Order: sequence, then structure tokens, then C-alpha cells
Amino acid sequence: AQSVTQPDIHITVSEGASLELRCNYSYGATPYLFWYVQSPGQGLQLLLKYFSGDTLVQGIKGFEAEFKRSQSSFNLRKPSVHWSDAAEYFCAVGAIRSGGSYIPTFGRGTSLIVHP
Amino acid sequence: DGGITQSPKYLFRKEGQNVTLSCEQNLNHDAMYWYRQDPGQGLRLIYYSQIVNDFQKGDIAEGYSVSREKKESFPLTVTSAQKNPTAFYLCASSPLRGTDTQYFGPGTRLTVL
Repeated sequence: AQSVTQPDIHITVSEGASLELRCNYSYGATPYLFWYVQSPGQGLQLLLKYFSGDTLVQGIKGFEAEFKRSQSSFNLRKPSVHWSDAAEYFCAVGAIRSGGSYIPTFGRGTSLIVHP
Repeated sequence: DGGITQSPKYLFRKEGQNVTLSCEQNLNHDAMYWYRQDPGQGLRLIYYSQIVNDFQKGDIAEGYSVSREKKESFPLTVTSAQKNPTAFYLCASSPLRGTDTQYFGPGTRLTVL
């Protein structure tokens, strides 16, 4: 069965500093990978996704992620964090279910705290 | 504007009562999903539906029921059989083309008193 590990429950960075959020997955086939962001009390918004092709994926809000098959990782990065980036971040791996849809299995999330 | 609406935003229920959470989408998506979110546990799939009048159990379906009578609507009923129903519930939808992205509603916070 597929699984996702986000090793960091909380990450604290200073505004303007670079950011890397870690994600490791377990899946027997070629993975479909996602990063979502959630503001408090809100739904999830897709930041970026990887299905195939270039392993460096660009997303919204200046985020990028790199798929590394050898390390089973899909880490999220941003070169300079803004205070508005403070939120919960979820990594997910898409796994095929009955009917052919890839439904994400989510990690437990990493809470990003941004200091001024 | 196209999107997903969930109502109500906050819901309080007495123990032993059933309660129904609403989810409506006007994105013309075929597939709809219900997730439960608890602090520190990420999202767990309750039920999903890929076509009207058909749905499948997710990973934690016990104590929940759903219906899909219309393409735009996928209500979730939390029954009295659900042992620990207090949680944040998220509805999502997606086009049914395998790898398409899920779009999420704003969520309903259910509290059992």
C-alpha cells in the first residue's frame, strides 16, 4: 500500500529565508505526487503536482519541488519565504483505486511558522 | 464563479444523533470525495463517487453514509455509529480523467457535544 511521510511536524523560518519541506513516499509504481497548502480553517489548495517528465516542477506562489526516484522523495522548496506562507503543507501520493482514478494518500502535514 | 461549497461551516450535534453535511459543486466534475481531517493525522478518505448513483468506501467508511443522486451533490451523513465524529470534514471533486487534480471545499467543522 502507498504511504507518505512528512518527517517534520513543525518548521520555523525567518521571513526572507529559504525553505525546504521534506516528503518521502512509498509506492510500487510510478508515483503521481502532489503538494497542497491549507490555511487555518480552510480547504486545501494545490501548489504543484508531478505526473511525468521534468523532475523539477514549478508551482504557484513561487514554490517548486523536485522528484528524486532514487531517494523516494518529493521535497518542496521556496527561495524566499513570505509571512503569508505560514500554513499547513501536505504532501500526497496518488494511488490508483477501483474505477481507474488516482486518489491521493496524504501525509500528516508540516506546519510552517514564519518569524518576522 | 465555479467552485465547491460546503455547509454549514460549523455544526454541533448531540451524541446519538445523525447529521448530514452538504457538499455541492458547479465545476461539472464527475468525481467527488469526502475526507476527514484530525490534528496531526492528515486527510483520510471516507467515501468517493465517480459517477451518479455509485460510490465506494474509502479507508475509514465505518459510521458514515453517502448518496450521489445528482452529479453536483454528494452529501455525507455522520451516523450515531461513528465512535468519534468530532473532526474537520473536507469535500473535494475532480474530473474523471485518472490523474486530474482534486479541488477542495472550505470544510465543515463538526463538534459532538
